Amino acid sequence: QLVESGGGVVQPGTSLRLSCSASGFPFSNYGMHWVRQAPRGGLEWVSFISFDGSERRYADSVKDRFTISRDNSKSSLFLDMNSLRAEDTAVYFCADLSRWGQGTLVTVSS
Amino acid sequence: DIQMTQSPSSLSASVGDRVTITCQASHDISNFLNWYQQKPGKAPKLLIYDASSLHIGVPSRFSGSGSGTHFTFTISSLQPEDTATYFCLHTDDLPYTFGQGTTLQIK
Repeated sequence: QLVESGGGVVQPGTSLRLSCSASGFPFSNYGMHWVRQAPRGGLEWVSFISFDGSERRYADSVKDRFTISRDNSKSSLFLDMNSLRAEDTAVYFCADLSRWGQGTLVTVSS
Repeated sequence: DIQMTQSPSSLSASVGDRVTITCQASHDISNFLNWYQQKPGKAPKLLIYDASSLHIGVPSRFSGSGSGTHFTFTISSLQPEDTATYFCLHTDDLPYTFGQGTTLQIK
């Protein structure tokens, strides 16, 4: 099971940290992703971190603003989002692409 | 980056019908393709991985085929609970990209 938290309504230019708590599977063995879905409905891959955190990748749309990290001792995944823009408004899912959380809504609005 | 073109964007079919959705990749992705079902307010649910492998617990009426650049997703006999949006996702190399989605409705 994956459970996201940390979403909310924030102003443009501010920061937010999303968390994802994993249970029921060996989290430390799996690469993990963040995927978002904007209100218009399309899915966008955002970021990936390898099982041990040694590899991190980002979509061009969030590169240099978002940082993915994990704490395997706590079976947790994180997404630090800085310099947020209106176009970052979306439901953010954590996933290993077979298991998905229920998502957390981030709204960037003044 | 690899682009995924999914069609149709929407379709309406009757219970018992055979339904087909296609995804075209801009480059050869071998069989690195997943298919997902998403219902409103819910997370995507994996149905097919590696283009044709049925994920555990998924009914056998769902199937996938294809390799390289052309992929097909089929529901052999449409059921009322299959009303949803379906997405393809290539997993060949990062960045992964999704198809635009197909909204399936029951007539």
